[in-house]
Amino acid sequence: ELKVEQNPLFLSMQEGKNYTIYCNYSTTSDRLYWYRQDPGKSLESLFVLLSNGAVKQEGRLMASLDTKARLSTLHITAAVHDLSATYFCAVDLGRDSNYQLIWGAGTKLIIKP
Amino acid sequence: NAGVTQTPKFRILKIGQSMTLQCTQDMNHNYMYWYRQDPGMGLKLIYYSVGAGITDKGEVPNGYNVSRSTTEDFPLRLELAAPSQTSVYFCASSYYRDQETQYFGPGTRLLVL
Repeated sequence: ELKVEQNPLFLSMQEGKNYTIYCNYSTTSDRLYWYRQDPGKSLESLFVLLSNGAVKQEGRLMASLDTKARLSTLHITAAVHDLSATYFCAVDLGRDSNYQLIWGAGTKLIIKP
Repeated sequence: NAGVTQTPKFRILKIGQSMTLQCTQDMNHNYMYWYRQDPGMGLKLIYYSVGAGITDKGEVPNGYNVSRSTTEDFPLRLELAAPSQTSVYFCASSYYRDQETQYFGPGTRLLVL
């Protein structure tokens, strides 16, 4: 069974701290996406990782992809309250599966002042 | 440029009723998708379309139907609503199928009683 597992599923942290969200997947893929969802809102694209070793950074967020380990990480540096949201990773199954995305369950991140 | 729009925002259905969820995008995107998001879960693909007149099943198509008569519109039809279809439904679009960010609509919250 194809699985995309995120951990932790819930994270409460203080402003100014660093933390990492992990996304493990069970199939071969070299493409992975990170999205953000604010409560009651739609999903917003954060990062597109398209190859082994890919690293993308935007502000206090940095995402990386290790296709051999089937692992992606989303690192938060010096967290601020505005980063409170639910973060999803999605694995691209590739051409043979019509590029279908398999989504993780999401990591709900709460950042306290 | 409105992006991806969905109507209605919220709907309550009785078991056995039918309804159509509307989705429109104004970005001239070729690809459109319907997802459902159950509480605490990641998104699951219901149907997708690669262009006008062409649709295909995703991971969880049972109980749903779609059509794509124009580039802009991709309605999702529920014929006989069941409690298991209580969910939040997101429509998304992208210009290409692979290596491409998907742009999401605001979602439709559906409750089947």
